[in-house]
Amino acid sequence: SAVISQKPSRDICQRGTSLTIQCQVDSQVTMMFWYRQQPGQSLTLIATANQGSEATYESGFVIDKFPISRPNLTFSTLTVSNMSPEDSSIYLCSGSGAIWGSYNEQFFGPGTRLTVL
Amino acid sequence: QQQVKQSPQSLIVQKGGISIINCAYENTAFDYFPWYQQFPGKGPALLIAIRPDVSEKKEGRFTISFNKSAKQFSLHIMDSQPGDSATYFCAASILGSARQLTFGSGTQLTVLP
Repeated sequence: SAVISQKPSRDICQRGTSLTIQCQVDSQVTMMFWYRQQPGQSLTLIATANQGSEATYESGFVIDKFPISRPNLTFSTLTVSNMSPEDSSIYLCSGSGAIWGSYNEQFFGPGTRLTVL
Repeated sequence: QQQVKQSPQSLIVQKGGISIINCAYENTAFDYFPWYQQFPGKGPALLIAIRPDVSEKKEGRFTISFNKSAKQFSLHIMDSQPGDSATYFCAASILGSARQLTFGSGTQLTVLP
């Protein structure tokens, strides 16, 4: 299985600032996704990170708030912009479509725990 | 309808007992059903998955039972151990789509020693 790492693992930020989260996969994957998970809650898909093109956002999430980059098949970033306390959450990166497994198997990073003061 | 409904919300089982978590879905286009296990402070880890062409899949102490006509699937953990204490999520996706997973609400399992 793939190993997915995220940086930072946690951060405490001030209201109005922005934070960029990095996601690195140790092998090439076709698809990369970004999720948000409130403590004790389920996962909500933010967007699909498309390599070489604009990300595809789910309802309720917009590019201006959550810009995403995916420059290659192993790396993506999610920026949380103009943060407010409501953005405090765990942000998870995942990858699927790797040559080493079933196309539908999706593996997750450890998450980035964000607290906005 | 993209929802996946999961129950129970929490479950307490004695060591050695059987833990059963249930999920139901509406979208008949779903054809891939994974279960994820998540420990506190960690990302979800793929536990076991099933496709609707089989009614049951077993891997060690973990078994998925799938009922296509009822649009339900369940996770059975045999001989539950304290180390199984975690949150379990069922999910569903459509083969040929963007591989987006629709997650259930999660079940917090506690196995008492």
